[in-house]
Amino acid sequence: DVKVTQSSRYLVKRTGEKVFLECVQDMDHENMFWYRQDPGLGLRLIYFSYDVKMKEKGDIPEGYSVSREKKERFSLILESASTNQTSMYLCASSLNVGYGYTFGSGTRLTVV
Amino acid sequence: AQSVSQHNHHVILSEAASLELGCNYSYGGTVNLFWYVQYPGQHLQLLLKYFSGDPLVKGIKGFEAEFIKSKFSFNLRKPSVQWSDTAEYFCAAGPSGNTPLVFGKGTRLSVIA
Repeated sequence: DVKVTQSSRYLVKRTGEKVFLECVQDMDHENMFWYRQDPGLGLRLIYFSYDVKMKEKGDIPEGYSVSREKKERFSLILESASTNQTSMYLCASSLNVGYGYTFGSGTRLTVV
Repeated sequence: AQSVSQHNHHVILSEAASLELGCNYSYGGTVNLFWYVQYPGQHLQLLLKYFSGDPLVKGIKGFEAEFIKSKFSFNLRKPSVQWSDTAEYFCAAGPSGNTPLVFGKGTRLSVIA
């Protein structure tokens, strides 16, 4: 089975800190995605990538950036964390979006 | 913008009751449709998916969904729920190709004894 691993399950960071959320997949998938999940809002797409060095903005990219230096790793960066970025962050990968995604376990980030 | 709507925010059912969760999408062309489930404390898992063919799709754990093109709907059903079905359920849709999926806001299902 494809495994998507997010480096941290829980994180607490201070306002203004630069935060790195790491995601690694082990099945050579080209497509990787970052979503945030908030109660009552479902999953909202932050950024996605179809290949190494490639990135595309999703629906809510403000305050975030991403890095994909290697195929298996897709990092989400909060340049200057703010309290409204407190959320559950979900990474997903896919061989072909038409087949669906495999999700990681999520990182619950609290910004204080 | 494309969208996915889930009609119910929170559904409470007794064990053995039948379940139907509504999902409507806004895509006009060919569409891929999915239901994901998130059990408490766990990651999102694929329940079932539809690409083409038979509009009645069967998934894991006794779930099924019916694609009705004329209604832009993909409702999730289960004849008899169990306490272990307590979870949050997300409908997702995307056009053919590698366009990212759009998710609904989710429906929380609570099954009580």
